[in-house]
Amino acid sequence: EIVMTQSPATLSVSPGERATLSCRASQSVSSNLAWYQQKPGQAPRLLIYGASTRATGIPARISGSGSGTEFTLTISSLQSEDFAVYYCQQYNNWPPLTFGGGTKVEIK
Amino acid sequence: QVQLVESGGGVVQPGRSLRLSCAASGFTFTSYGIHWVRQAPGKGLEWVAVISYDGSKKHYADSVKGRFTISRDNSKNTLYLQMNSLRAEDTAVYYCAKEYASGWADYWGQGTLVTVSS
Repeated sequence: EIVMTQSPATLSVSPGERATLSCRASQSVSSNLAWYQQKPGQAPRLLIYGASTRATGIPARISGSGSGTEFTLTISSLQSEDFAVYYCQQYNNWPPLTFGGGTKVEIK
Repeated sequence: QVQLVESGGGVVQPGRSLRLSCAASGFTFTSYGIHWVRQAPGKGLEWVAVISYDGSKKHYADSVKGRFTISRDNSKNTLYLQMNSLRAEDTAVYYCAKEYASGWADYWGQGTLVTVSS
Protein backbone atom coordinates (compact mmCIF):
# COMPACT_ATOMS: atom_id res chain seq x y z
CA GLU A 1 0.00 0.00 0.00
CA ILE A 2 1.28 3.43 -0.94
CA VAL A 3 1.42 5.81 2.00
CA MET A 4 0.72 9.48 1.30
CA THR A 5 2.14 12.06 3.71
CA GLN A 6 1.05 15.69 3.68
CA SER A 7 2.81 18.63 5.27
CA PRO A 8 2.31 20.76 7.14
CA ALA A 9 -0.72 19.56 9.03
CA THR A 10 -1.85 23.17 9.48
CA LEU A 11 -0.85 26.21 7.46
CA SER A 12 -1.65 29.69 8.73
CA VAL A 13 -1.80 32.22 5.90
CA SER A 14 -3.08 35.76 5.52
CA PRO A 15 -5.59 36.53 2.75
CA GLY A 16 -3.78 37.51 -0.42
CA GLU A 17 -0.67 35.55 0.47
CA ARG A 18 0.67 32.44 -1.23
CA ALA A 19 0.09 28.98 0.21
CA THR A 20 2.26 25.98 -0.63
CA LEU A 21 1.10 22.50 0.40
CA SER A 22 3.23 19.38 0.09
CA CYS A 23 2.38 15.75 -0.51
CA ARG A 24 4.85 12.89 -0.53
CA ALA A 25 4.29 9.31 -1.68
CA SER A 26 6.10 6.33 -0.16
CA GLN A 27 6.90 5.15 -3.69
CA SER A 28 6.53 6.63 -7.14
CA VAL A 29 2.98 7.32 -8.28
CA SER A 30 4.09 8.89 -11.56
CA SER A 31 1.63 11.75 -12.20
CA ASN A 32 -1.37 9.80 -10.94
CA LEU A 33 -2.23 12.19 -8.15
CA ALA A 34 -5.35 14.18 -7.34
CA TRP A 35 -6.01 17.03 -4.94
CA TYR A 36 -9.33 17.66 -3.19
CA GLN A 37 -10.62 20.55 -1.12
CA GLN A 38 -13.04 20.02 1.76
CA LYS A 39 -14.85 22.69 3.74
CA PRO A 40 -16.56 21.99 7.08
CA GLY A 41 -19.75 19.99 6.67
CA GLN A 42 -19.23 19.60 2.93
CA ALA A 43 -18.14 16.83 0.60
CA PRO A 44 -14.67 16.88 -0.93
CA ARG A 45 -14.34 18.80 -4.19
CA LEU A 46 -11.92 17.80 -6.94
CA LEU A 47 -9.30 20.46 -7.65
CA ILE A 48 -6.50 18.77 -9.57
CA TYR A 49 -5.96 15.45 -11.34
CA GLY A 50 -2.95 14.13 -13.21
CA ALA A 51 -0.86 16.09 -10.68
CA SER A 52 -1.30 19.38 -12.55
CA THR A 53 -4.57 19.50 -14.52
CA ARG A 54 -7.20 21.74 -13.01
CA ALA A 55 -10.71 20.32 -12.80
CA THR A 56 -13.61 22.15 -14.39
CA GLY A 57 -14.31 25.49 -12.76
CA ILE A 58 -11.16 25.61 -10.64
CA PRO A 59 -9.57 29.07 -10.75
CA ALA A 60 -6.10 29.60 -12.18
CA ARG A 61 -4.73 30.74 -8.80
CA ILE A 62 -4.81 27.06 -7.79
CA SER A 63 -2.09 24.94 -9.38
CA GLY A 64 -0.50 21.55 -8.91
CA SER A 65 2.96 20.31 -9.73
CA GLY A 66 5.30 17.39 -9.20
CA SER A 67 5.72 13.79 -10.24
CA GLY A 68 7.10 10.60 -8.81
CA THR A 69 7.03 11.00 -5.05
CA GLU A 70 6.94 14.76 -4.46
CA PHE A 71 3.94 16.96 -5.19
CA THR A 72 2.90 20.52 -4.45
CA LEU A 73 -0.41 22.35 -4.44
CA THR A 74 -0.01 26.11 -4.68
CA ILE A 75 -2.64 28.75 -4.12
CA SER A 76 -1.10 31.94 -5.41
CA SER A 77 -3.23 34.50 -3.60
CA LEU A 78 -5.51 33.14 -0.92
CA GLN A 79 -9.13 34.17 -1.05
CA SER A 80 -11.62 33.72 1.77
CA GLU A 81 -13.17 30.71 0.05
CA ASP A 82 -9.81 28.91 -0.04
CA PHE A 83 -9.62 28.36 3.71
CA ALA A 84 -10.32 24.65 3.98
CA VAL A 85 -8.69 21.22 4.33
CA TYR A 86 -6.82 19.85 1.33
CA TYR A 87 -6.17 16.18 0.61
CA CYS A 88 -3.91 14.51 -1.90
CA GLN A 89 -4.76 11.04 -3.25
CA GLN A 90 -2.79 8.60 -5.38
CA TYR A 91 -4.34 6.41 -8.03
CA ASN A 92 -1.23 4.92 -9.60
CA ASN A 93 -1.17 1.64 -7.74
CA TRP A 94 -4.51 0.54 -6.39
CA PRO A 95 -6.50 -0.89 -4.78
CA PRO A 96 -6.35 0.53 -2.29
CA LEU A 97 -6.70 4.15 -3.21
CA THR A 98 -4.87 6.13 -0.56
CA PHE A 99 -5.22 9.66 0.73
CA GLY A 100 -2.88 11.89 2.63
CA GLY A 101 -3.83 12.99 6.10
CA GLY A 102 -4.77 16.48 4.94
CA THR A 103 -3.50 20.02 5.35
CA LYS A 104 -5.74 22.59 7.00
CA VAL A 105 -5.29 26.08 5.60
CA GLU A 106 -6.42 28.58 8.20
CA ILE A 107 -6.57 32.33 8.43
CA LYS A 108 -3.54 33.89 10.07
CA GLN B 1 -26.11 18.61 -13.33
CA VAL B 2 -24.50 15.62 -11.65
CA GLN B 3 -26.13 14.64 -8.39
CA LEU B 4 -25.27 11.88 -5.97
CA VAL B 5 -27.55 11.50 -2.97
CA GLU B 6 -26.69 9.07 -0.21
CA SER B 7 -29.21 7.65 2.23
CA GLY B 8 -29.59 4.86 4.74
CA GLY B 9 -27.30 6.05 7.48
CA GLY B 10 -28.22 6.01 11.14
CA VAL B 11 -27.37 4.60 14.54
CA VAL B 12 -26.80 0.86 14.68
CA GLN B 13 -25.51 -1.51 17.35
CA PRO B 14 -22.17 -3.30 16.96
CA GLY B 15 -22.53 -6.54 15.04
CA ARG B 16 -25.67 -5.43 13.22
CA SER B 17 -26.15 -4.57 9.54
CA LEU B 18 -27.03 -1.50 7.51
CA ARG B 19 -27.48 -0.82 3.81
CA LEU B 20 -26.54 2.49 2.28
CA SER B 21 -27.86 3.75 -1.05
CA CYS B 22 -26.58 6.35 -3.47
CA ALA B 23 -29.03 7.68 -6.04
CA ALA B 24 -27.34 9.13 -9.11
CA SER B 25 -28.61 11.55 -11.74
CA GLY B 26 -27.34 14.01 -14.32
CA PHE B 27 -24.93 11.63 -16.04
CA THR B 28 -24.89 8.27 -17.79
CA PHE B 29 -24.74 6.04 -14.74
CA THR B 30 -23.98 2.91 -16.73
CA SER B 31 -20.72 4.39 -18.03
CA TYR B 32 -18.88 5.07 -14.78
CA GLY B 33 -17.41 3.27 -11.84
CA ILE B 34 -18.48 4.49 -8.42
CA HIS B 35 -16.56 4.57 -5.15
CA TRP B 36 -17.50 4.62 -1.49
CA VAL B 37 -15.19 6.75 0.68
CA ARG B 38 -15.67 7.32 4.39
CA GLN B 39 -14.57 9.88 6.92
CA ALA B 40 -14.58 9.21 10.65
CA PRO B 41 -15.51 12.20 12.82
CA GLY B 42 -12.68 14.74 12.77
CA LYS B 43 -10.48 12.47 10.65
CA GLY B 44 -9.30 12.19 7.06
CA LEU B 45 -10.65 10.37 4.04
CA GLU B 46 -10.52 6.57 3.77
CA TRP B 47 -11.33 4.70 0.60
CA VAL B 48 -13.79 1.84 1.17
CA ALA B 49 -14.78 0.16 -2.10
CA VAL B 50 -15.29 0.58 -5.83
CA ILE B 51 -17.52 -1.06 -8.42
CA SER B 52 -17.01 -0.92 -12.17
CA TYR B 53 -19.54 0.60 -14.54
CA ASP B 54 -21.19 -2.76 -15.22
CA GLY B 55 -20.78 -4.27 -11.77
CA SER B 56 -18.38 -6.93 -12.96
CA LYS B 57 -15.40 -5.74 -10.94
CA LYS B 58 -15.35 -4.87 -7.26
CA HIS B 59 -12.53 -4.00 -4.91
CA TYR B 60 -12.49 -3.39 -1.16
CA ALA B 61 -10.28 -1.92 1.50
CA ASP B 62 -8.80 -4.57 3.78
CA SER B 63 -10.62 -2.97 6.72
CA VAL B 64 -14.03 -3.89 5.28
CA LYS B 65 -13.27 -6.93 3.14
CA GLY B 66 -15.58 -9.81 3.97
CA ARG B 67 -18.02 -7.56 5.85
CA PHE B 68 -19.10 -4.98 3.25
CA THR B 69 -20.53 -5.61 -0.21
CA ILE B 70 -20.79 -3.01 -2.94
CA SER B 71 -23.40 -3.42 -5.66
CA ARG B 72 -25.33 -1.39 -8.18
CA ASP B 73 -28.67 -1.48 -9.98
CA ASN B 74 -28.14 0.20 -13.34
CA SER B 75 -31.86 0.10 -14.06
CA LYS B 76 -32.41 2.35 -11.03
CA ASN B 77 -29.23 4.45 -11.28
CA THR B 78 -28.46 3.44 -7.71
CA LEU B 79 -25.38 2.24 -5.87
CA TYR B 80 -25.48 0.25 -2.64
CA LEU B 81 -23.21 -0.62 0.23
CA GLN B 82 -24.31 -3.54 2.38
CA MET B 83 -22.50 -3.33 5.69
CA ASN B 84 -22.53 -6.36 7.97
CA SER B 85 -20.87 -7.09 11.30
CA LEU B 86 -20.51 -3.40 11.97
CA ARG B 87 -17.89 -2.20 14.43
CA ALA B 88 -17.41 1.02 16.35
CA GLU B 89 -14.55 1.91 14.02
CA ASP B 90 -16.95 1.91 11.06
CA THR B 91 -18.52 5.07 12.46
CA ALA B 92 -18.11 7.69 9.74
CA VAL B 93 -19.73 9.79 7.09
CA TYR B 94 -19.97 7.65 3.98
CA TYR B 95 -19.66 9.35 0.60
CA CYS B 96 -20.33 7.93 -2.82
CA ALA B 97 -18.15 9.41 -5.55
CA LYS B 98 -18.35 9.15 -9.32
CA GLU B 99 -15.17 8.01 -10.99
CA TYR B 100 -14.17 10.05 -14.02
CA ALA B 101 -11.17 7.95 -14.89
CA SER B 102 -9.49 5.07 -13.13
CA GLY B 103 -9.01 5.98 -9.50
CA TRP B 104 -10.11 9.57 -9.19
CA ALA B 105 -13.52 11.05 -8.61
CA ASP B 106 -14.96 14.21 -10.11
CA TYR B 107 -18.23 14.37 -8.15
CA TRP B 108 -19.10 13.43 -4.61
CA GLY B 109 -22.37 13.15 -2.75
CA GLN B 110 -23.01 15.00 0.50
CA GLY B 111 -22.60 11.88 2.58
CA THR B 112 -24.63 9.91 5.10
CA LEU B 113 -23.59 9.41 8.71
CA VAL B 114 -23.29 5.91 10.14
CA THR B 115 -22.87 5.64 13.90
CA VAL B 116 -22.09 2.25 15.39
CA SER B 117 -22.78 2.32 19.09
CA SER B 118 -24.50 0.29 21.75
